[in-house]
Amino acid sequence: GESVGLHLPTLSVQEGDNSIINCAYSNSASDYFIWYKQESGKGPQFIIDIRSNMDKRQGQRVTVLLNKTVKHLSLQIAATQPGDSAVYFCAENIDGTASKLTFGTGTRLQVTL
Amino acid sequence: EPEVTQTPSHQVTQMGQEVILRCVPISNHLYFYWYRQILGQKVEFLVSFYNNEISEKSEIFDDQFSVERPDGSNFTLKIRSTKLEDSAMYFCASCQYTEAFFGQGTRLTVV
Repeated sequence: GESVGLHLPTLSVQEGDNSIINCAYSNSASDYFIWYKQESGKGPQFIIDIRSNMDKRQGQRVTVLLNKTVKHLSLQIAATQPGDSAVYFCAENIDGTASKLTFGTGTRLQVTL
Repeated sequence: EPEVTQTPSHQVTQMGQEVILRCVPISNHLYFYWYRQILGQKVEFLVSFYNNEISEKSEIFDDQFSVERPDGSNFTLKIRSTKLEDSAMYFCASCQYTEAFFGQGTRLTVV
């Protein structure tokens, strides 16, 4: 997938460390948020989602935190692995579905050995 | 694991020509979408499709664009007269309830 962006913020993390990727959203009416991972040559892959009535949700090695007060979303990846290297996008929606998602600009995660 | 498949993976077309991008959504999904990603930019919503009709579309999705579900499996995006600025990755996605599954994308290059 062509998520290769000349101006993507990049986060470099050593293998085994925890990663935190941040996202600011603009629409206070958004009530559904998703993190996607996009590897080179592939489409966005769902990682985890959260609704606005929650402030934290955990998955396997991933945690999403939502702060509605400051309209901030973060993705925490525990024990980062080389396979986690990708571009990560947050996406938001106002009707709680996957329709008409508004994607953020993305953050490139580079895992170093 | 079921997946959304898109063909072709890469399409080169001359400006002004019509292109059809094809998608086979996951079989029991009910909602279908097209998104695009211009190189170096965000993924942008184009259109959503449910119950054999467009449920929502963005301002990008003008009269040059159309979608169709001609049979029970395929979901197509047609661009009638391509422009240079239509060059992008086009992603199809399908969804049963809330989680959208994306295809690998079709890279459209308009020359």
